[in-house]
Amino acid sequence: AQSVTQLDSQVPVFEEAPVELRCNYSSSVSVYLFWYVQYPNQGLQLLLKYLSGSTLVESINGFEAEFNKSQTSFHLRKPSVHISDTAEYFCAVTRTAGGTSYGKLTFGQGTILTVHP
Amino acid sequence: DTGVSQNPRHKITKRGQNVTFRCDPISEHNRLYWYRQTLGQGPEFLTYFQNEAQLEKSRLLSDRFSAERPKGSFSTLEIQRTEQGDSAMYLCASSLKRPGGADEKLFFGSGTQLSVL
Repeated sequence: AQSVTQLDSQVPVFEEAPVELRCNYSSSVSVYLFWYVQYPNQGLQLLLKYLSGSTLVESINGFEAEFNKSQTSFHLRKPSVHISDTAEYFCAVTRTAGGTSYGKLTFGQGTILTVHP
Repeated sequence: DTGVSQNPRHKITKRGQNVTFRCDPISEHNRLYWYRQTLGQGPEFLTYFQNEAQLEKSRLLSDRFSAERPKGSFSTLEIQRTEQGDSAMYLCASSLKRPGGADEKLFFGSGTQLSVL
C-alpha cells in the first residue's frame, strides 16, 4: 500500500514570492508521482508527473517538482507565484504496473495555496 | 472534448434515503474511476471500470454502495440507506488506456456534493 503526506495544509504567500509545497510518500513498491491542482469550483487537473527519466519535471505554467528517491519526496516549487496560482494542490502516487501507470491514485490531504497581492 | 460531466452537482437527502449519481466520461475513454473526497482530505479511490467491467473495488465501498457502467459508457453510483458519514464530494474521472501504453492521464469531473441530513 502507498501513503502520501503533504506537510502543510495551508501556505499563504505574497505575489511574486517563491513557494514550495512539500510532499512525502511511503510505498513498498515502485511508484509514479503526480501533482494535481484544483481551482475553485473546478475539477482536479493534472499539473505535472514523474514517471521515469529526469528527476526534475516541469509544468507549462512555471511549476517544477523534483523526485528524490532517498528522501521519498516530491516537493512542488515555483520561483515566483501569481494571484492566479491560488488553488488547492494535491500530491498523488500510483504503483507502477509492468512499466505502465495506473489510474488508482493515492492522494495526500491537499495544500491550499493562497497568493496575496 | 466536452470533459467529464457529473450530475447532479449537489444532492441533499435525508438519512436512510437512496441516492444515485451519474457520470458521463469523455466519449472515447475506456476507463472510469470513482473517488470520494471529504472535507480537508484528498480524494480516496472507490472503484474503477474498464469498459463495462468493474475491475476493482475499495474496502471503502460498503455493501450499500453499488456502481455500474452499462455498455461501457456512462456510469452510475448508487448509495442505499444513506448515513451521515456518506456526506462527501463524489468525483468521477475517466481515461484512455491503450494496450501497452505507458501513461494513463485521468480527467476529473467537478463532482457531486452529497449532504446527508
